[in-house]
Amino acid sequence: AQSVAQPEDQVNVAEGNPLTVKCTYSVSGNPYLFWYVQYPNRGLQFLLKYITGDNLVKGSYGFEAEFNKSQTSFHLKKPSALVSDSALYFCAGSNRDDKIIFGKGTRLHILP
Amino acid sequence: GAVVSQHPSWVICKSGTSVKIECRSLDFQATTMFWYRQFPKQSLMLMATSNEGSKATYEQGVEKDKFLINHASLTLSTLTVTSAHPEDSSFYICSARLSPNYGYTFGSGTRLTVV
Repeated sequence: AQSVAQPEDQVNVAEGNPLTVKCTYSVSGNPYLFWYVQYPNRGLQFLLKYITGDNLVKGSYGFEAEFNKSQTSFHLKKPSALVSDSALYFCAGSNRDDKIIFGKGTRLHILP
Repeated sequence: GAVVSQHPSWVICKSGTSVKIECRSLDFQATTMFWYRQFPKQSLMLMATSNEGSKATYEQGVEKDKFLINHASLTLSTLTVTSAHPEDSSFYICSARLSPNYGYTFGSGTRLTVV
């Protein structure tokens, strides 16, 4: 069965420091991987995706993620965190024609 | 491009009544839309896949007679929560995708409170 794991329920980072939100996947075939952010009582906003091509994917708001096939990981990163980055982050994956599977989410707290 | 609009943003209803939530793809045609339910501090649970012109496909454990889905056009899917009860209170989110390579776009969600 396909799955996406986010091992951390919460990540705390000081403002200005680099941040990493972890994600590992188990998807058959070529994986389609996504990161979304959710603010309170809002839908999900797309941050970035990996379909094919360069392993380092750059997305919205200065976020990036690195696809690592050998480690089956797709960690989300940002060089310098902002307080406004505080939100709930979801990693998701699918193969081309299957439904998308979400991780459980990681709450990111950026401390001023 | 690929904007999904969801309405209403929030709704309060009495037990026993029905509530309809709309999901529209504004600038693309979506033959397939997805409905999710999210409990507080939890991930999204896929409820059903809405297919234009045919019956929805429900996930295991989701009551199809309770959560009626209609996808009558290429830009509109509706979810009706029938005979709502307090345990149906939740955050409901729809999504669609422009193409397999594009990624999924989500509506802004509907907060349903049944009193």
